[in-house]
Amino acid sequence: EAGVAQSPRYKIIEKRQSVAFWCNPISGHATLYWYQQILGQGPKLLIQFQNNGVVDDSQLPKDRFSAERLKGVDSTLKIQPAKLEDSAVYLCASSLRPGLAGVSTDTQYFGPGTRLTVL
Amino acid sequence: TQLLEQSPQFLSIQEGENLTVYCNSSSVFSSLQWYRQEPGEGPVLLVTVVTGGEVKKLKRLTFQFGDARKDSSLHITAAQPGDTGLYLCAALTVDSNYQLIWGAGTKLIIKP
Repeated sequence: EAGVAQSPRYKIIEKRQSVAFWCNPISGHATLYWYQQILGQGPKLLIQFQNNGVVDDSQLPKDRFSAERLKGVDSTLKIQPAKLEDSAVYLCASSLRPGLAGVSTDTQYFGPGTRLTVL
Repeated sequence: TQLLEQSPQFLSIQEGENLTVYCNSSSVFSSLQWYRQEPGEGPVLLVTVVTGGEVKKLKRLTFQFGDARKDSSLHITAAQPGDTGLYLCAALTVDSNYQLIWGAGTKLIIKP
């Protein structure tokens, strides 16, 4: 079974430039997550999709970040314009279905991430 | 704000030694997960614990969920260089809308 694919693996841009990341989740997984992981910290959820609808985007900086999941499969995350503090690894994860609230959570499978450096 | 605190932040030991890392919170969680993340890769799920007092074993790794479901520990016996990585705990609250709350991780280095 193929895992979560992400591209590019690395990206270096200057501040105020734009950048886009792509994620292809595991086939059949309904839920897709984008995380931001700053060096020395745990992942921080940016946005969660259930099929092609947004479940949670409360921590997405909507003035500069946008994400979409067309047709409920692949997803793109865009930053426009980038700031120095956006330097981080951007992780995509997918799960078959959301977990039962209060009981357990379905396994999230992570991609290798895209390491973004903003100069 | 719900927080997961992991300790220690960094641990470097010799191969063959035992170690324990911790994940603590003031909140009660419905479930807790441990992940290992290697450089250049995403986190990989090791275990999910759900019941207070639950103990799970994965080869040389022993995971425990506190009785009050506010803390967890990961114990590694006879550590090997292959255990090197960032160990992250993540927890789910009853009303978190399936959103995991993550700790900052313990960076573990096992020296041969």
